[in-house]
Amino acid sequence: DTGVSQNPRHKITKRGQNVTFRCDPISEHNRLYWYRQTLGQGPEFLTYFQNEAQLEKSRLLSDRFSAERPKGSFSTLEIQRTEQGDSAMYLCASSFSITEAFFGQGTRLTVV
Amino acid sequence: TQLLEQSPQFLSIQEGENLTVYCNSSSVFSSLQWYRQEPGEGPVLLVTVVTGGEVKKLKRLTFQFGDARKDSSLHITAAQPGDTGLYLCAGVRAGGTSYGKLTFGQGTILTVHP
Repeated sequence: DTGVSQNPRHKITKRGQNVTFRCDPISEHNRLYWYRQTLGQGPEFLTYFQNEAQLEKSRLLSDRFSAERPKGSFSTLEIQRTEQGDSAMYLCASSFSITEAFFGQGTRLTVV
Repeated sequence: TQLLEQSPQFLSIQEGENLTVYCNSSSVFSSLQWYRQEPGEGPVLLVTVVTGGEVKKLKRLTFQFGDARKDSSLHITAAQPGDTGLYLCAGVRAGGTSYGKLTFGQGTILTVHP
C-alpha cells in the first residue's frame, strides 16, 4: 500500500452534469476526510468518516454533494448538477490518529 | 478572517538564504501539522507538533510550536531550489470534536532561485 489513491486525477465536465470521485485510503486507516481547495487557498474541510459512519459535514457541503464510505473502505464523493463554482481540487485524506493526516494526489475538477 | 493566519503569503529568495514562515491564531490547537504541496498534487505531511514549546528538526527544516499552542513557525536554513513549493500549516482545534478535522492557513508560496 503506497498511500492514499484518488481517481480520476482530472475531470472536465459540463455545467449541470453529475460527477463522482473515488478515494482509496491507506488500508489500516479508519478515519477518512474530504477537503476542497481552490486556487491560492488552503484546503477547506468538507466531510469526515469514521469507518463507514459520516460523522461531520461542513456547511460547504450543499445538498448537491453526497459522500459515502460503504463498508468503511473506499469513499466516493458525488456532485450533482455541477456549477462553475464547484471547480476546485478535491482532496481526500486518511489517518489512524487525529494528529496525522495523509493526503491523496487530489482530483482536479473543471466545470465548463 | 482566517482562523490560522500564515505569513508571508509569498517569499522569493536566493539559494543559500534562510527563511521563516509563521502561522498564528487566537485559538488553541491540540496539534499542528506542516505540509508542502507541489502544483497539481496533494499536500505532503512534513511534521506534526503536539506539545507547547516543542521544536522538531527535519534536516534543514526546524519547526516550533508556541508555548500556548496558538502559533507555529517553520524555519529553513540554506534554502535550495528543491524547497520551492506551497507550505501549509494546519491545526486540530483544541476542545472541539476528536475527529481530527484540519483547519488550514492560506499557505506560503516559496520560490528559491538558483
